[in-house]
Amino acid sequence: GAVVSQHPSWVICKSGTSVKIECRSLDFQATTMFWYRQFPKQSLMLMATSNEGSKATYEQGVEKDKFLINHASLTLSTLTVTSAHPEDSSFYICSAVRQGALETQYFGPGTRLLVL
Amino acid sequence: QKEVEQNSGPLSVPEGAIASLNCTYSDRGSQSFFWYRQYSGKSPELIMFIYSNGDKEDGRFTAQLNKASQYVSLLIRDSQPSDSATYLCAVNMDSNSGYALNFGKGTSLLVTP
Repeated sequence: GAVVSQHPSWVICKSGTSVKIECRSLDFQATTMFWYRQFPKQSLMLMATSNEGSKATYEQGVEKDKFLINHASLTLSTLTVTSAHPEDSSFYICSAVRQGALETQYFGPGTRLLVL
Repeated sequence: QKEVEQNSGPLSVPEGAIASLNCTYSDRGSQSFFWYRQYSGKSPELIMFIYSNGDKEDGRFTAQLNKASQYVSLLIRDSQPSDSATYLCAVNMDSNSGYALNFGKGTSLLVTP
């Protein structure tokens, strides 16, 4: 299989705090991971592309200083939402591309963030 | 703006029937097409992908691709209540995003017993 995990699955935090979300590929190496955000009744929107060992590429309209991405190894990428505000409340989902299986993305279970 | 369009539904079919889900896309350069299923509150799970024109079958699922018409569909045979979910069509984005996907808004499918 191709298993991707995310931690935590649920986060409730106060406005102004920072939240770190981890995305791990458990049984394969992933040179590329993606971070998506999904608001209720909406589709997944790509936030950024994370490549191991290099800076993330952010989509237009996504603040790179607010959404910090680190891809330190072939199995781990982290997304840190800095100074979170209620409008950042959403479902954050990562996906990983398995080496040798290009273009097939495997999604993590998602992290639901609620900022009070 | 590169678009992926899907009818939001809900599409309601009786158990045992064939469900037909449709998707159109605007970027003629797209090469890879994916169907994901998403249950409420869960992340998407890959059903199948298709690269070439024509049909591709996997169990009860058949993906159909027509690049000339910029159209991709998913057929679900012998639909089961457990197939009730939102089905997301996804198309690969341009090379600046690597292999990132552009998702449609999804079609809600309801299979009634």
